[in-house]
Amino acid sequence: KQEVTQIPAALSVPEGENLVLNCSFTDSAIYNLQWFRQDPGKGLTSLLLIQSSQREQTSGRLNASLDKSSGRSTLYIAASQPGDSATYLCAVRPRSGAGSYQLTFGKGTKLSVIP
Amino acid sequence: DTEVTQTPKHLVMGMTNKKSLKCEQHMGHRAMYWYKQKAKKPPELMFVYSYEKLSINESVPSRFSPECPNSSLLNLHLHALQPEDSALYLCASSRDHGRNYNEQFFGPGTRLTVL
Repeated sequence: KQEVTQIPAALSVPEGENLVLNCSFTDSAIYNLQWFRQDPGKGLTSLLLIQSSQREQTSGRLNASLDKSSGRSTLYIAASQPGDSATYLCAVRPRSGAGSYQLTFGKGTKLSVIP
Repeated sequence: DTEVTQTPKHLVMGMTNKKSLKCEQHMGHRAMYWYKQKAKKPPELMFVYSYEKLSINESVPSRFSPECPNSSLLNLHLHALQPEDSALYLCASSRDHGRNYNEQFFGPGTRLTVL
């Protein structure tokens, strides 16, 4: 059964710092990995999706990498801002089986950027 | 239009009530999902519709009844809920279930409280 782990569970950084959020998964047979942002009590905003054949994706100050063989992904946020404060979730989609319809989520990293 | 909308934003209901949650997207997506999210937990998949047909029911109790009237709309009918069903209910859509088209886009959610 696929398991997704995100470390750390919470992170607090001063404004302007570059930071890295980590995501690991136990089964490398995935179609893709998706990073989301969730503000308190709100829905999920898709940030980046990396296909299994890709190594990284970039959007603005965000860069996500994928090392499928080692079961790891990182989300790099450059020049953090207070508005980046949110919970960041990663999710993988299994390649096969009944579970291939669904995303397996990590528990998230709660990021606080201090002004 | 790249948005998934959900109504209502908040819902309070008694255990004997019948209510419905609504979800709408106009991105031409043919896969739609219902998720349940408890506080400080990742979303849990409830149902998947693919081309207006129910594809996945993740062993959800029958007091939750999904409906997909057309390719843009997804409803979740609620009846005789329990207080432990109180949660944020999220709707999502994706282009379809194919390997390259399943980036999921989420709505803002409905915060449900069962008294």
